[in-house]
Amino acid sequence: GQSLEQPSEVTAVEGAIVQINCTYQTSGFYGLSWYQQHDGGAPTFLSYNGLDGLEETGRFSSFLSRSDSYGYLLLQELQMKDSASYFCAVRARDNFNKFYFGSGTKLNVKP
Amino acid sequence: NAGVMQNPRHLVRRRGQEARLRCSPMKGHSHVYWYRQLPEEGLKFMVYLQKENIIDESGMPKERFSAEFPKEGPSILRIQQVVRGDSAAYFCASSSQTGTTDTQYFGPGTRLTVL
Repeated sequence: GQSLEQPSEVTAVEGAIVQINCTYQTSGFYGLSWYQQHDGGAPTFLSYNGLDGLEETGRFSSFLSRSDSYGYLLLQELQMKDSASYFCAVRARDNFNKFYFGSGTKLNVKP
Repeated sequence: NAGVMQNPRHLVRRRGQEARLRCSPMKGHSHVYWYRQLPEEGLKFMVYLQKENIIDESGMPKERFSAEFPKEGPSILRIQQVVRGDSAAYFCASSSQTGTTDTQYFGPGTRLTVL
């Protein structure tokens, strides 16, 4: 089976850096993705790690370590608009059609 | 360049009625996924379809729920004889093809309330 764990809530101030962790137990997967979802909105794709290491996209970076069963999303220069829920997700190797999502981390950015 | 469209955005049904949720994928996308989200929870996979085919429905309850993606028109998620526990947000997502990308594009969701 697949299990992804994230902290339920994180609070940070504008301009700061925050790291949202995702630990997983899985029988195998193809890569780790991150999605952002504002209250009442649709999830939007942020980043994907197919290989171990760091992927950088502007203010957002994502990291994966398969040996540690761990990944994280790093948000720099936080802005108020970054207040949202962030989900990690994997495509299962035992069922290629299926994506599994973590329960999400609610990020609160304060002035 | 329209994104994924879903309608209705909000749907209210009484127990025992039927709910029909529609999803039009992005132009050029032939793969559609349906997810269910309860408040403060993540997305739960329900079903994966390609045009005229259900590829994987392992996440969908065996009774009362069905999905289709006809050759013409949107994908439909149908819930018969709704119960209060069906109240949730239902999102569909589309992608261009499997195997080359994990990027899914989500619609705005349909928020179903069962009274």
